[in-house]
Amino acid sequence: GDSVTQMEGPVTLSEEAFLTINCTYTATGYPSLFWYVQYPGEGLQLLLKATKADDKGSNKGFEATYRKETTSFHLEKGSVQVSDSAVYFCALSPGAYSSASKIIFGSGTRLSIRP
Amino acid sequence: SQTIHQWPATLVQPVGSPLSLECTVEGTSNPNLYWYRQAAGRGLQLLFYSVGIGQISSEVPQNLSASRPQDRQFILSSKKLLLSDSGFYLCAWRPPDRENTEAFFGQGTRLTVV
Repeated sequence: GDSVTQMEGPVTLSEEAFLTINCTYTATGYPSLFWYVQYPGEGLQLLLKATKADDKGSNKGFEATYRKETTSFHLEKGSVQVSDSAVYFCALSPGAYSSASKIIFGSGTRLSIRP
Repeated sequence: SQTIHQWPATLVQPVGSPLSLECTVEGTSNPNLYWYRQAAGRGLQLLFYSVGIGQISSEVPQNLSASRPQDRQFILSSKKLLLSDSGFYLCAWRPPDRENTEAFFGQGTRLTVV
């Protein structure tokens, strides 16, 4: 079945460091891919998304490119801030021709940024 | 605009007691609805999803059940809570037949079973 695998956390970085959080997926057809962020005690917020191969999603300095050849959607940011400390989830939605309507999440990566 | 409401925000319940968590969506029709659970320090587990009134798909057999009595209302229930039911429960919605659209989440309910 469809699945998402993302790097284990926690990830601890210093402010202004470069961030990469790896995400790979398994899916039949052509899924849409998402990154969500969860701040402490809150629900999930969409960070960015990509709906087809080679699309790049971007928001708040974060970027991720939909790579069909490597089935990956890695999250990157050039210079992290303390306010980026949160849990990040990679997710997929099966393609339009799939009968499933569910969204499948990875296990989440906790990111902590030191001042 | 669309909004999602989930309550209560926090709940402490004894083992063996019943549970009812409610989620409602405003500003849209026939949404896809989802219940997820996040155990402490762990990822999101899809519990149930629904594509219409009375249509419930269960992802994980367990001590919980879900119902959709109205188009924009989704209820998570249990007859007898277990300690292992503790966690952060999240409701979400998505427009119907729009698989490339993101889901929108409520603020969550933190359930502690004691």
